[in-house]
Amino acid sequence: GVTQSPTHLIKTRGQQVTLRCSSQSGHNTVSWYQQALGQGPQFIFQYYREEENGRGNFPPRFSGLQFPNDSSELNVNALELDDSALYLCASSLGRGTGSETQYFGPGTRLLVL
Amino acid sequence: GQNIDQPTEMTATEGAIVQINCTYQTSGFNGLFWYQQHAGEAPTFLSYNVLDGLEEKGRFSSFLSRSKGYSYLLLKELQMKDSASYLCAVRDSNYQLIWGAGTKLIIKP
Repeated sequence: GVTQSPTHLIKTRGQQVTLRCSSQSGHNTVSWYQQALGQGPQFIFQYYREEENGRGNFPPRFSGLQFPNDSSELNVNALELDDSALYLCASSLGRGTGSETQYFGPGTRLLVL
Repeated sequence: GQNIDQPTEMTATEGAIVQINCTYQTSGFNGLFWYQQHAGEAPTFLSYNVLDGLEEKGRFSSFLSRSKGYSYLLLKELQMKDSASYLCAVRDSNYQLIWGAGTKLIIKP
């Protein structure tokens, strides 16, 4: 399955954070989402074969990488209080243009103080 | 802008049937997904519709009308374990998933 680390994280405003995700074996696409409490996930960006191939309405201080070994990371610089949320990664097979099911990890809950 | 509307919360009785509606206004349409999310857990896939009509999968069915920008998820023979949030998501013209805020379903005995 899809795993994420850490499960919980507390940071202070202005700091930087790196969240990690391990995709389901063989999946070549990973998507990252931000989910605020009581809301649906908001699309941050997607990587296909180690290249970004889609981005939502998030500022450049949100960046990511996808590695050849089924792992990926989300980096957030200059943390703001509003960045407090559950961060989900989802992996799938394919570019995300069809019925490909996204398999979600358990998420990382980030609290910015 | 893009918008997906779902009821915030619904209550139903164990053993009954419930229909959760979703209306959408997106820039393009490349499929609609329903996901289930239990509190504190990750979303899990339930169904996918890209053509008009009904898709049935066990106790769960999903319907789509593209001309009306409308979908519903039908849950039959409700069980207590069905208590969860149900998320509707539409893939837009850029193939990005746009998500609704989710419908919290409460099942009462």
